[in-house]
Amino acid sequence: AQSVTQLGSHVSVSEGALVLLRCNYSSSVPPYLFWYVQYPNQGLQLLLKYTSAATLVKGINGFEAEFKKSETSFHLTKPSAHMSDAAEYFCAVSEDYGGSQGNLIFGKGTKLSVKP
Amino acid sequence: GAGVSQSPSNKVTEKGKDVELRCDPISGHTALYWYRQRLGQGLEFLIYFQGNSAPDKSGLPSDRFSAERTGESVSTLTIQRTQQEDSAVYLCASSLVSSGIAKNIQYFGAGTRLSVL
Repeated sequence: AQSVTQLGSHVSVSEGALVLLRCNYSSSVPPYLFWYVQYPNQGLQLLLKYTSAATLVKGINGFEAEFKKSETSFHLTKPSAHMSDAAEYFCAVSEDYGGSQGNLIFGKGTKLSVKP
Repeated sequence: GAGVSQSPSNKVTEKGKDVELRCDPISGHTALYWYRQRLGQGLEFLIYFQGNSAPDKSGLPSDRFSAERTGESVSTLTIQRTQQEDSAVYLCASSLVSSGIAKNIQYFGAGTRLSVL
């Protein structure tokens, strides 16, 4: 079964500092990988997705993630944190590659705090 | 509609009561998912609907949980005889098609926060 591990339930950075949120996955087939962001009292919003094309994926709000098959990782980064980036971030993998099912397997989430 | 709509946004109920949660997917989206988000946890898959196919109920935690969807429209998630451990945010998502990467791009509602006292 596929699974996702997010290292660090809470990450705190200063405004303007590098953001690095870690995600490792396990999958027996090439996966689809996703990062979602959840602002307080809102649903999840897709940040970016990996679809087996380019290994470096650019998303919205200046975020990007790099797929590293050898490390089974898909870490999320942003060069310079902004106060508005404070939210909870979820990494997810698609359970059934190429099949009819498409439910996502989520990590437990990482809450990002940004200090002024 | 413009996005996935869920109602109510908050629900407080007493242990043992039944509750019904509603999800309006994005118009034209054939696939609909229900997830549960417990405090401090990631999202757990509950059930998946795709068009008129039989739903995938493999994520439902017990027979107290059930869901229905008529065609490609509204879905309701019903929890019977609620227990305190059912307290969570219940999120609904929909996606456009059933194959390829597009099936996995799920659009989420804001969720229903259920509190069982």
